[in-house]
Amino acid sequence: DVKVTQSSRYLVKRTGEKVFLECVQDMDHENMFWYRQDPGLGLRLIYFSYDVKMKEKGDIPEGYSVSREKKERFSLILESASTNQTSMYLCASSPPREESNEQFFGPGTRLTVL
Amino acid sequence: QQQVKQSPQSLIVQKGGISIINCAYENTAFDYFPWYQQFPGKGPALLIAIRPDVSEKKEGRFTISFNKSAKQFSLHIMDSQPGDSATYFCAAGMIWGANNLFFGTGTRLTIIP
Repeated sequence: DVKVTQSSRYLVKRTGEKVFLECVQDMDHENMFWYRQDPGLGLRLIYFSYDVKMKEKGDIPEGYSVSREKKERFSLILESASTNQTSMYLCASSPPREESNEQFFGPGTRLTVL
Repeated sequence: QQQVKQSPQSLIVQKGGISIINCAYENTAFDYFPWYQQFPGKGPALLIAIRPDVSEKKEGRFTISFNKSAKQFSLHIMDSQPGDSATYFCAAGMIWGANNLFFGTGTRLTIIP
């Protein structure tokens, strides 16, 4: 079974803090993704990575950065957290397109910025 | 802008009834159309998916209907059960580039006894 784990289920931070969200997958997948989920807006792609040290902006990258130093780990960084970044953050991974289009999601991290 | 439009935002169906969720897209580069199911406190999980070379795919009580000319696809849940209560997302993936998916805004489905 593919497993995608996220470092925290719930996180509370203060405005201006630097926040790290960690994601680890155990299936040797090339592709990893970070989404945020907000009611009525669905899943919006923040960043994705198709290889170690490679990253691409998604639809809403402003205020976020990412790091992928190892194949299994993809980190989302909020350099200076703001209240409008309060949201559910979901990490996903997928194999190459030639193998499957399916994305496997972690359980999510609910981040509250006060 | 939203590449995949999904409706309705919420849906209440009687147990045993048929639940129908609709999605529409514009980009003809999409060639993969999955539906994801999300229960509270969990991440989304793939439920069923279709490619544009077929008009329908059925897995148990779940069916995707696909209309290529109209650029629309829908999820039908037959004999809906309380355990089907969840949020459903349609999505679309492209024939080129990274293995991205473009998600709809989600439908919260509630099955009442």
